Amino acid sequence: AQSVAQPEDQVNVAEGNPLTVKCTYSVSGNPYLFWYVQYPNRGLQFLLKYITGDNLVKGSYGFEAEFNKSQTSFHLKKPSALVSDSALYFCAVRDLYNFNKFYFGSGTKLNVKP
Amino acid sequence: GAVVSQHPSWVICKSGTSVKIECRSLDFQATTMFWYRQFPKQSLMLMATSNEGSKATYEQGVEKDKFLINHASLTLSTLTVTSAHPEDSSFYICSARTSGSSYNEQFFGPGTRLTVL
Repeated sequence: AQSVAQPEDQVNVAEGNPLTVKCTYSVSGNPYLFWYVQYPNRGLQFLLKYITGDNLVKGSYGFEAEFNKSQTSFHLKKPSALVSDSALYFCAVRDLYNFNKFYFGSGTKLNVKP
Repeated sequence: GAVVSQHPSWVICKSGTSVKIECRSLDFQATTMFWYRQFPKQSLMLMATSNEGSKATYEQGVEKDKFLINHASLTLSTLTVTSAHPEDSSFYICSARTSGSSYNEQFFGPGTRLTVL
């Protein structure tokens, strides 16, 4: 079975500092991994995905994520956080056999303070 | 592009009544739409997959007679919560997938907050 885990309920960072939101995965084969962001009372917005290829994936709004097979991780990163980055972030993995089915992590609330 | 809308954005209803939530793909055709449920401080749980012109596929543990899904056109799917009870109160989110590449991510609607009194 596929699953992702987000070990931190909340991450606090000062504006201008680098941020990392952690995600680890458990997949029996090659994982298809995604990051989404959710603003209050809004749906999820796609940030980036890893399917294959370069381990460093660049996405929207200056975010990037690094796929690490040995550590089974897919951490979301940004070199310099903005207050507007404050939101709820979800890591997700797609089912290997049913491409329509996603398994989401529990979410990490990112607080960026000015 | 790839905008998904939901209506209403929030609804309050009395216990025992039915509520219909609409999900529309505004600028693309979605052969497949998905309905998720999100509890406070928890992740999204897939409820069902809605395919245009055919019956929805429900996830294990989701009552298909309680959560009626209709995908009548390539741009519209509806979720009807029948005989709603307070435990049905939740944030319901739909998403849609464009046809073509199987690697496409899903595009999510803004969600509908249902409160059952």
